[in-house]
Amino acid sequence: DVKVTQSSRYLVKRTGEKVFLECVQDMDHENMFWYRQDPGLGLRLIYFSYDVKMKEKGDIPEGYSVSREKKERFSLILESASTNQTSMYLCASSTGGAIINIQYFGAGTRLSVL
Amino acid sequence: GENVEQHPSTLSVQEGDSAVIKCTYSDSASNYFPWYKQELGKRPQLIIDIRSNVGEKKDQRIAVTLNKTAKHFSLHITETQPEDSAVYFCAAVVSGGYNKLIFGAGTRLAVHP
Repeated sequence: DVKVTQSSRYLVKRTGEKVFLECVQDMDHENMFWYRQDPGLGLRLIYFSYDVKMKEKGDIPEGYSVSREKKERFSLILESASTNQTSMYLCASSTGGAIINIQYFGAGTRLSVL
Repeated sequence: GENVEQHPSTLSVQEGDSAVIKCTYSDSASNYFPWYKQELGKRPQLIIDIRSNVGEKKDQRIAVTLNKTAKHFSLHITETQPEDSAVYFCAAVVSGGYNKLIFGAGTRLAVHP
């Protein structure tokens, strides 16, 4: 059973703080993704990674960075949190390779920036 | 850039009725179309997917149809039950590798007993 675990379900931070969101998967997946979920906007891709230390920008990377030092862990970093980054953040993982495979999601982190 | 449009944004049906959610995509090279269900407070979970080499796929009460020429695909739920109430997201893979998905905005389905 695939498990994607996000370290926090709820986070409250102050404007200007540096925020780390952590995601760990236990299926040896090559690909990992960070999405932001807002009502009426669906899931929007922030960053993804297809291998250790490799990263690619998604559709809304501004204000975010990522780190993938180990295959199982993918971190999303808000360098200086702002109120417009208040949202639900979802991590996902999938196998790599030529054949497209299912993305499995974590339970999400609801971040409030005050 | 690539885009997926999803309609309707909300859908209310009586238990036992059918529900249909429609999506259109812009990337003509896209070849994989998953549907995710997200119950309140839970993670999105894949319920069905279709690849571009087939036009229809069915799994019990749910089915997905794909029209590559028109670039649209639809989710059909028959004999709806209250536990089908959730937000449903369609998605299309972005051609070019890495298994990137573009998601629709979601449809909130309410099934009333």
